[in-house]
Amino acid sequence: QVQLVQSGSELKKPGASVKVSCKASGYTFSSYSINWVRQAPGQGLEWMGWINTNTGNPTYDQGFTGRFVFSSDTSVSTTYLQISSLKAEDSAVYYCARALTSSGVWYFDLWGRGTLVTVSS
Amino acid sequence: DIQMTQSPSSLSASVGDRVTITCRASQSISNYLNWYQQKPGKAPKLLIYAASSLQSGVPSRFSGSGSGTDFTLTISSLQPEDFATYYCQQSYSTPRFTFGPGTKVDIK
Repeated sequence: QVQLVQSGSELKKPGASVKVSCKASGYTFSSYSINWVRQAPGQGLEWMGWINTNTGNPTYDQGFTGRFVFSSDTSVSTTYLQISSLKAEDSAVYYCARALTSSGVWYFDLWGRGTLVTVSS
Repeated sequence: DIQMTQSPSSLSASVGDRVTITCRASQSISNYLNWYQQKPGKAPKLLIYAASSLQSGVPSRFSGSGSGTDFTLTISSLQPEDFATYYCQQSYSTPRFTFGPGTKVDIK
């Protein structure tokens, strides 16, 4: 079955770090990039960036540089999002999504269920 | 940066209604426009890609149109399972993507 399975909810204190995983199955992992999307409570979707799962090269959108790190491990078909020095405003659901292209138009055809990260003292 | 706007931000409709949602880009993006549906507590689901191509498995009551800066998502006959929030997304500036702010469709 083609799917992305994300790790479970996390409760962290301010200043701590968190690592969210996104495991792919049912397709060739390194053939598709993985994107990360944030959704704060009651808010819309915010694209964070993506990782080339073949080369491991990440690209970050503005506002997601410095404390946010994407990585991947092809041996276990898994992509990771690590956030350091957590702040209350990092509390959100984080989604991973596979990117596909048709005639040059890229879109996200497969999504994980999301991982809720709550930052609270 | 390409900015995306959607209108309306929310709407109330009845089962069977024809619903149209508009998405506008701050500059021309050709047909590099996708639509997603999100239900509460769920991940977004791809409906339409490249402005008008229906994703496999998506009911034919959903359709997309437009090019350049103005796009529309139409639901020809609203069904109970269609009450959700809809987002447009531009992929013209790949590898950077931008989502619209969303349109919430609820029951009248």
